[in-house]
This record gives sequence, C-alpha cells and structure tokens, in this order.
Amino acid sequence: EDQVTQSPEALRLQEGESSSLNCSYTVSGLRGLFWYRQDPGKGPEFLFTLYSAGEEKEKERLKATLTKKESFLHITAPKPEDSATYLCAVGFKTSYDKVIFGPGTSLSVIP
Amino acid sequence: NAGVTQTPKFRILKIGQSMTLQCTQDMNHNYMYWYRQDPGMGLKLIYYSVGAGITDKGEVPNGYNVSRSTTEDFPLRLELAAPSQTSVYFCASTLGTDTQYFGPGTRLTVL
Repeated sequence: EDQVTQSPEALRLQEGESSSLNCSYTVSGLRGLFWYRQDPGKGPEFLFTLYSAGEEKEKERLKATLTKKESFLHITAPKPEDSATYLCAVGFKTSYDKVIFGPGTSLSVIP
Repeated sequence: NAGVTQTPKFRILKIGQSMTLQCTQDMNHNYMYWYRQDPGMGLKLIYYSVGAGITDKGEVPNGYNVSRSTTEDFPLRLELAAPSQTSVYFCASTLGTDTQYFGPGTRLTVL
C-alpha cells in the first residue's frame, strides 16, 4: 500500500537550534517528493521538489534531501518565523494526477 | 495575479443542506484539484480536472460533485451535507509541473 508518514508529529525548538524533519514513504514508482509549508489558517505553500535519490535543494535556512525511502528537511539556526506545519507529499510515475500527502510536522521555534 | 481564490472562507451547514464551494484561478493553469484536510490526517484528494470539461475522482469523492466549464473555475458541490464532511477544503492548481498553488481554504462545519 502506498503511504507517506512524517515524524515527529510536533517539534519545539529554541531559536538557533538546528534539527531535521523526516518524511518516510512507501510508493510504487516515485515520480517526485514535494515539501510544502503551511501557516495556520492558510493553504500550503510550495517549497521544494526532489526527483532522485541523492538530490538536495536549499532555500534560506531549509535544506531538503532525498534517499530511496525517505526525505529529510533540515532546518539550520531556525527563527520564530519558521514556525509552521511542514507537509511532504509524493507523486507517482504511473499517474501524474495522484499525489499523497503526509500528515505533517508542526514546528514551533521559541525565541 | 490573485492566484487561487476560494469562497466562502467559513460556512456552517445543517445536515442535509447543500452548498457550492467556489474556486477560481487566474494563472491559466490546466490542472485543478480539490482536497480536504482533517486534523492530523494530511490532505486527501477529492476530485481533480486536467482541463475544461474533464474531471475525475480522487481518493475520497463520495458526497461531492464537480464541474469544469472554464479554465478558471472549478466549483465543488456538496449535496446532502453530513457531519463527516466537516473539514477544511483547499483548491489547488498547476500548469502541469509538480508545483501546486493552493487557495486559502474554506472551513466547513456541518451540524
């Protein structure tokens, strides 16, 4: 069965305390893995797409990496404005329109 | 560009009532999607469309209907609302790449 899980469910960091969020997936034929940021009361906002194992993408304090079974979102020296829920999702080679989202990790960065 | 807009932002329905959630995008995107998001469950795909006049079911279509008469609009119809349809509904669109642009969401409560 195709599925996406994320851990931890919630993460509380001090400002400047680096950490990583995990997205594990079991899918038949990965087309791409996507990371989104979602602020309370708003729709998800696209961050990254990763297509192959070993690929890395960076944006400000965020870096996303991909292996054959999981992806990590590394947050370096986070600031309070990085507080949000981070969602990962996977797309399928055999069905462009099918995307499965994970449940998300709620990140809180305390000043 | 306004991007993806959704109306209304909030709505309370009584069991058995019907309503239409509106979604409009001004980016000339071919692909449009409707998701629902329940707490701790991630986004679930309800319906999607690859262009005007073409729609297809997603993972959780029961109790919903859609139409796509124009490129810009993709309304979601709820017939005979049930408490299980209490959720936050997001519309999204994409040009055909893996970057989906989401609207701000509609929070629906069915009592």
